[in-house]
Amino acid sequence: DVKVTQSSRYLVKRTGEKVFLECVQDMDHENMFWYRQDPGLGLRLIYFSYDVKMKEKGDIPEGYSVSREKKERFSLILESASTNQTSMYLCASSLRNEQYFGPGTRLTVT
Amino acid sequence: GNSVTQMEGPVTLSEEAFLTINCTYTATGYPSLFWYVQYPGEGLQLLLKATKADDKGSNKGFEATYRKETTSFHLEKGSVQVSDSAVYFCASGYNNDMRFGAGTRLTVKP
Repeated sequence: DVKVTQSSRYLVKRTGEKVFLECVQDMDHENMFWYRQDPGLGLRLIYFSYDVKMKEKGDIPEGYSVSREKKERFSLILESASTNQTSMYLCASSLRNEQYFGPGTRLTVT
Repeated sequence: GNSVTQMEGPVTLSEEAFLTINCTYTATGYPSLFWYVQYPGEGLQLLLKATKADDKGSNKGFEATYRKETTSFHLEKGSVQVSDSAVYFCASGYNNDMRFGAGTRLTVKP
């Protein structure tokens, strides 16, 4: 089975802090994604990566950056957390068209 | 562009009732279509998929048929169980361009 793990299930940070969310997949997938999930809005793509050190902006990249130094690991960085970044963050990796999701990180910014 | 519209919830049914959750998509070309399920506190899991017109995806008693003429991929189950209570997401797209609906929360009461 494909396994996608995320470093934290719950995280509480203060406004202005730098926040790192880590995601690791164990199936050698080339593509990895970061989404945020908000009620009534579904999933919105923040960034995706199609190879090591390669990244593309999604629909809502503002306030976020990403890093992919190794194939299995994709990090989402909030440079200066703000309260409107309180959300559920989901990481996924994909093989062809199927995406496999991690359990999510619920981030609260106070 | 690529987008998905799915039936708003919440949906509340009694056990053994028939379920339909409507989903329509707009896309250029012929996207793959998916239904994902999210149980409380978890990430999304692939429930079923269809990759071309008239394909029927099925899993755990759920079915959906790729209807190109109506650009739809409605989810159905003949007899729901309490354990089916979850949020269901319809998705459409290609490998790096996947669009998700807003999600439909289903509650099944005994």
